[in-house]
Amino acid sequence: QKEVEQDPGPLSVPEGAIVSLNCTYSNSAFQYFMWYRQYSRKGPELLMYTYSSGNKEDGRFTAQVDKSSKYISLFIRDSQPSDSATYLCASTNTGNQFYFGTGTSLTVIP
Amino acid sequence: EAGVAQSPRYKIIEKRQSVAFWCNPISGHATLYWYQQILGQGPKLLIQFQNNGVVDDSQLPKDRFSAERLKGVDSTLKIQPAKLEDSAVYLCASSLVYEQFFGPGTRLTVL
Repeated sequence: QKEVEQDPGPLSVPEGAIVSLNCTYSNSAFQYFMWYRQYSRKGPELLMYTYSSGNKEDGRFTAQVDKSSKYISLFIRDSQPSDSATYLCASTNTGNQFYFGTGTSLTVIP
Repeated sequence: EAGVAQSPRYKIIEKRQSVAFWCNPISGHATLYWYQQILGQGPKLLIQFQNNGVVDDSQLPKDRFSAERLKGVDSTLKIQPAKLEDSAVYLCASSLVYEQFFGPGTRLTVL
């Protein structure tokens, strides 16, 4: 079993939709959870970073962690064509090793 | 704050040739990572440095890949000789504690 599992998609939604991206992880020691956005032919860009369980909101983006079910989510409200990218989730416990999902490809259709 | 710098951005070589990539991390970041990202997959860690020392190189194909980090700052990753399956994007990242920042990557094509 991989440390972090992510549905690769692809996911296609109309502009303005609410997008839900999800990951699961297997290591209960993970405490830090990240979401990265990667545009085509670019490096991953840190989008959101949360510690332990709970929600974190930043503009149209909300990151949610449920440690009881080992579930990580990213919600995008009022999705825009500029949100079209691949979204990677990642987890770590010590900050030494980061474990990445395979990425979910998102397309927002105008 | 300047980001992680990498060069070159693109490289095309023939199999059995050698290639080197360079990375300059964010100033003050002690930890530096090299990842390999194949199309449609998440980044795969090749090697991790803490200052000058290697923390993890368990997934580095040591018969052909080598990496060094001089004076705890810049780093180079070398492939010699390259194989077709090495075609990928090579990402460098650095971190202070728990937040990891990536460079733009080097896209390598091996023909």
